[in-house]
Amino acid sequence: DVKVTQSSRYLVKRTGEKVFLECVQDMDHENMFWYRQDPGLGLRLIYFSYDVKMKEKGDIPEGYSVSREKKERFSLILESASTNQTSMYLCASSPYSGSWTDTQYFGPGTRLTVL
Amino acid sequence: QKEVEQNSGPLSVPEGAIASLNCTYSDRGSQSFFWYRQYSGKSPELIMFIYSNGDKEDGRFTAQLNKASQYVSLLIRDSQPSDSATYLCAVKVYGNKLVFGAGTILRVKS
Repeated sequence: DVKVTQSSRYLVKRTGEKVFLECVQDMDHENMFWYRQDPGLGLRLIYFSYDVKMKEKGDIPEGYSVSREKKERFSLILESASTNQTSMYLCASSPYSGSWTDTQYFGPGTRLTVL
Repeated sequence: QKEVEQNSGPLSVPEGAIASLNCTYSDRGSQSFFWYRQYSGKSPELIMFIYSNGDKEDGRFTAQLNKASQYVSLLIRDSQPSDSATYLCAVKVYGNKLVFGAGTILRVKS
């Protein structure tokens, strides 16, 4: 079974703090993704990485950065947390075989509250 | 512009009935489509994917794809209270990315 883990299930931070969310997958997947999920808005892609040290902006990258130093680990960084970044953050990974059926597998999520 | 549309619901069905969840997409070139189930407070889990026109069955679930109409649906037969969840439709775009709809809330009443 694919296993995607995230460093925290719940996190409370203060405005202006630097926040690190970590994601680790154990299936040697090339692709990793960070989403945020808000009521009524669905999942929105923040950043994704298709290989080590490679990253590409998603639909809502403002206020976020990422790091992928090792294939299994993909970190999301909030440089200066703001209250509008309070959300559920979901990490996903997928293989890249070139097939249309390559599937994304999700971690358990981190519910971040910024006060 | 939203690329994947779903009715937010809630869709309420009695136990044992067929639940029908629908999704439309805007990119005519889309090739593969995924259905995820998400329980409250949990992360999405894959139910099934489909990439050929027609029906694909997996147990109580059937995915239906009509590329000409840009429409994909998920049927759940013999619905159970444990099927109550939010169902997310996702369309694969370039770079192995998925674009998600906002999801349909399904409530199965016993």
